[in-house]
Amino acid sequence: QSVLTQPPSVSGAPGQRVTISCTGSSSNVGAGFDVHWYQQLPGTAPKLLIYGNTNRPSGVPDRFSGSKSGTSASLAITGLQAEDEADYYCQSYDNSLSGWVFGGGTKLTVL
Amino acid sequence: QVQLVESGGGVVQPGGSLTLSCAASGFTFSSFGMHWVRQAPGKGLEWVAFTQFDGTDKYSADSLKGRFTISRDNSKNTLLLQMNSLRAEDTAVYFCAKGVTYGTTYYFDSWGQGTLVTVSS
Repeated sequence: QSVLTQPPSVSGAPGQRVTISCTGSSSNVGAGFDVHWYQQLPGTAPKLLIYGNTNRPSGVPDRFSGSKSGTSASLAITGLQAEDEADYYCQSYDNSLSGWVFGGGTKLTVL
Repeated sequence: QVQLVESGGGVVQPGGSLTLSCAASGFTFSSFGMHWVRQAPGKGLEWVAFTQFDGTDKYSADSLKGRFTISRDNSKNTLLLQMNSLRAEDTAVYFCAKGVTYGTTYYFDSWGQGTLVTVSS
């Protein structure tokens, strides 16, 4: 069971908007630690998608956006494209575990 | 550009040991904290261990119970993971990842392609 909770799967049609939630607790997200997001295409290594809750690295389309409030964070993807079909992971730090933690991952299916 | 290349994976018997390596290039290796992250087949990502840029501070996941040791050789731009007393549940792809400080902690801005460790008799 992951420290950060994500829905196992989400889906949407091309062009639609989807959101993926990431729920933590008072020892990680709620303690003020930032949330970061990664995209993992099938058979490849994870790729940084969002850092510091809301920031996109160079090269990441502005269709991807992040937010954080309280003990939760969200990743939003607008204008869904077939190439967005992947697993998405949130990540933060947990001060009771003294380590970095991930969500269980969310599989995005583009219908 | 940043390049991280893991090696050393393979099949090992339960109770055995293995050392993974990660060769880094394209950035000043000695200036960045480095991490190992693993992914069991069909499962999610799990943080394994971290070493500070100069190797003075090291942390590993409590679940490993001290069986894994992270180290680095900044003269060779290499990150290492010594794994002992391996168990079937350690079977996973092991990624090395470059850490970037943000606020009070890190995110992982570059990843290697991973090396597969299979623990089986």
